[in-house]
Amino acid sequence: DQQVKQNSPSLSVQEGRISILNCDYTNSMFDYFLWYKKYPAEGPTFLISISSIKDKNEDGRFTVFLNKSAKHLSLHIVPSQPGDSAVYFCAASVYGGSNYKLTFGKGTLLTVNP
Amino acid sequence: GAGVSQSPRYKVAKRGQDVALRCDPISGHVSLFWYQQALGQGPEFLTYFQNEAQLDKSGLPSDRFFAERPEGSVSTLKIQRTQQEDSAVYLCASSFILTSGTDTQYFGPGTRLTVL
Repeated sequence: DQQVKQNSPSLSVQEGRISILNCDYTNSMFDYFLWYKKYPAEGPTFLISISSIKDKNEDGRFTVFLNKSAKHLSLHIVPSQPGDSAVYFCAASVYGGSNYKLTFGKGTLLTVNP
Repeated sequence: GAGVSQSPRYKVAKRGQDVALRCDPISGHVSLFWYQQALGQGPEFLTYFQNEAQLDKSGLPSDRFFAERPEGSVSTLKIQRTQQEDSAVYLCASSFILTSGTDTQYFGPGTRLTVL
């Protein structure tokens, strides 16, 4: 049972345009959400996070939106750059849980074309 | 280096062999996690240490998998009698301390295990 779902395996956008990556979750206990970025042959790198008490968090070109009622979050990258091409993983955890383990989606491969 | 390091980066094992995968977390990081990433999937939790204490091993797929962190720093994930389904990338992550629930987990590059 996939508790964190990324239904788009891949996304292709033009440089300078907006990239929108989506993520859905089923476990209502999740209250802390993260996005990780992964290049080939490297480990995932933390990008941005959001707590369930917020509906938006922004860091430079990256903004994460959280819709708790829909159990949905999205990552917006504006403007997209070729260096953003990577696999993006959505992850969730239970704030205050016993060990804060992360539950990941399957990832979305983003390709930004020059 | 300043990041999480893992060795070996690649390991090929014959079915039935035992393997040991090493993780060096960021210095001073209290918490250490192991994840397994199968091809085309996201990382899946295996086990968690706080210092030398293994607080959660609920994700270990079988009793062939064993992890330790005897001195609260370096950790080793051991897989006995490897099977083909053990083929995956094994990721280690560490974080400073988990008092707020918002502490970032920093990942190593992973060890790609291939079982023939």
